[in-house]
Amino acid sequence: DTEVTQTPKHLVMGMTNKKSLKCEQHMGHRAMYWYKQKAKKPPELMFVYSYEKLSINESVPSRFSPECPNSSLLNLHLHALQPEDSALYLCASSPGRARGRAEQYFGPGTRLTVT
Amino acid sequence: ELKVEQNPLFLSMQEGKNYTIYCNYSTTSDRLYWYRQDPGKSLESLFVLLSNGAVKQEGRLMASLDTKARLSTLHITAAVHDLSATYFCAVALRAGNQFYFGTGTSLTVIP
Repeated sequence: DTEVTQTPKHLVMGMTNKKSLKCEQHMGHRAMYWYKQKAKKPPELMFVYSYEKLSINESVPSRFSPECPNSSLLNLHLHALQPEDSALYLCASSPGRARGRAEQYFGPGTRLTVT
Repeated sequence: ELKVEQNPLFLSMQEGKNYTIYCNYSTTSDRLYWYRQDPGKSLESLFVLLSNGAVKQEGRLMASLDTKARLSTLHITAAVHDLSATYFCAVALRAGNQFYFGTGTSLTVIP
């Protein structure tokens, strides 16, 4: 199984809503990532979890809150978002630096629209 | 600040022609990746380059890495319409699992 799954595929939320994005992998990978991608732009790294601990936070606003309940799951909790947060949110996983080439596998993404 | 730059940003080429996309990065890295992204879709891994002088080929695409020059190339041979997509390079930093993407090259192959 070389698949990273993400739910939901599409999400529309108001600025006062609370919602969560979910990401799952069963490849035994120990590093998981959240990226944000705006139209016609490259993905921007948001968070990295390594061995279920947050290792990198790229100065992301606190209205985005990541969570890694176990080695297979990664959540992104959303609260009080702004319209400019509308984007494609991509999850990825990799074996981890210590385990070799650390190739990333990307999920299909969640298309988020904030109204 | 790490910079990963690609050129060209936009590329329109005729079927059957050859072209090269360049990826320059500003800091030492031992890992360089190439991805393809179709409109509205996620990223598909194309190549992983792990050492100076590495060359990988798959079909009409060939990638190479020169770590001393901090340069990677993606060469397209005899382009076909199916290659139309956006291509990203990405650099992984030594310190950890940090991946930074290039600016992207939007490729359109014209029949």
